[in-house]
Amino acid sequence: DTGVSQNPRHKITKRGQNVTFRCDPISEHNRLYWYRQTLGQGPEFLTYFQNEAQLEKSRLLSDRFSAERPKGSFSTLEIQRTEQGDSAMYLCATSRSGEETQYFGPGTRLLVL
Amino acid sequence: GQSLEQPSEVTAVEGAIVQINCTYQTSGFYGLSWYQQHDGGAPTFLSYNALDGLEETGRFSSFLSRSDSYGYLLLQELQMKDSASYFCAVRDHRAGTALIFGKGTTLSVSS
Repeated sequence: DTGVSQNPRHKITKRGQNVTFRCDPISEHNRLYWYRQTLGQGPEFLTYFQNEAQLEKSRLLSDRFSAERPKGSFSTLEIQRTEQGDSAMYLCATSRSGEETQYFGPGTRLLVL
Repeated sequence: GQSLEQPSEVTAVEGAIVQINCTYQTSGFYGLSWYQQHDGGAPTFLSYNALDGLEETGRFSSFLSRSDSYGYLLLQELQMKDSASYFCAVRDHRAGTALIFGKGTTLSVSS
């Protein structure tokens, strides 16, 4: 257990529904990242926050995806109008400024039917 | 663009030594990280090399050659619990400290 928590751990939804995932970071970590991982692949970067500011979004992140980190603590990732191709593990990672180590949460496994 | 290449699978027996290689292409290189991921688990940090040479942490060591854009992870005295996927990663220069991961190497350790 790295101290990063994610909820829910599993989500099954029907195509077209909206889903929201939450990540609670290690308290003193000001950097927060969202990644997506599919079977047999490494994690792919989606978006990055430093405190409450969203500093970077991947080109992978379509308009259906939005992320927030309103008070620089927990973060949410919302997917609107889900598609079957969104089925993946969504990982949150956090780190301190100046440190390389990223601490990953257990992930939310999404299945879109 | 940025890319990393590593073997897809490696097999070994308990007690053996195994080396997992990683070659990378990136602009604005900051360093090479290694992460371990067990089936169904989250990636966990193993090591980071910013400078050339070998970094040792217990049974695991990591090496970097910046001039060759190459690194490796060395696992010694293999144990069954080392069966996992191992990812090398570099910083995505467009995204601060976010990481770009290789596709991973699945290590299977048998008795």
